[in-house]
Amino acid sequence: KAGVTQTPRYLIKTRGQQVTLSCSPISGHRSVSWYQQTPGQGLQFLFEYFSETQRNKGNFPGRFSGRQFSNSRSEMNVSTLELGDSALYLCASSRPPIDRTEAFFGQGTRLTVV
Amino acid sequence: DQQVKQNSPSLSVQEGRISILNCDYTNSMFDYFLWYKKYPAEGPTFLISISSIKDKNEDGRFTVFLNKSAKHLSLHIVPSQPGDSAVYFCAASAHYGGSQGNLIFGKGTKLSVKP
Repeated sequence: KAGVTQTPRYLIKTRGQQVTLSCSPISGHRSVSWYQQTPGQGLQFLFEYFSETQRNKGNFPGRFSGRQFSNSRSEMNVSTLELGDSALYLCASSRPPIDRTEAFFGQGTRLTVV
Repeated sequence: DQQVKQNSPSLSVQEGRISILNCDYTNSMFDYFLWYKKYPAEGPTFLISISSIKDKNEDGRFTVFLNKSAKHLSLHIVPSQPGDSAVYFCAASAHYGGSQGNLIFGKGTKLSVKP
């Protein structure tokens, strides 16, 4: 069974540009969550999608957005990149129904903003 | 304000001994807790979880203890092995509105198990 796949693995962008990251969840998983990991802040929740609807959103500016497609694949977009957006972006998927279950993480996309 | 705190940034243990990683939380709405292990350049890997209706959950060498009155949980690894060396994250969630909710993570504890 394939795990959570995130593409690309590494990305270098310039300040002011925008970026789109992709996440393919485990087959059968309908919930996808995104997290930002930085050395100082640890893992911080960005947003959660279930059945193409955003269910929860963390405390991030509107430059961070996401969406989920009918096949449960998800993308997140960051516009007007800032140096502080450099981080490891992690996607996690979990199984329906929304009961208590662990989330499975991808390997992440390392974004560097220069 | 940190809702999940791992106050020890690092822990060093001898191989074969017990590793105890601690986690405190402040939000009384949290009712599900998880531990993840993370190696550099990889995503976190789920280790073990516990619901707030339990005070202990065991899986092989890993045991998680939950003390709701103290809002404290701990992960015990017995015996510790060099391959356990990684960063360990404690996470918590609150179940509301039919959604799993988001996971709130601590900042992690780096465990080093020395041969």
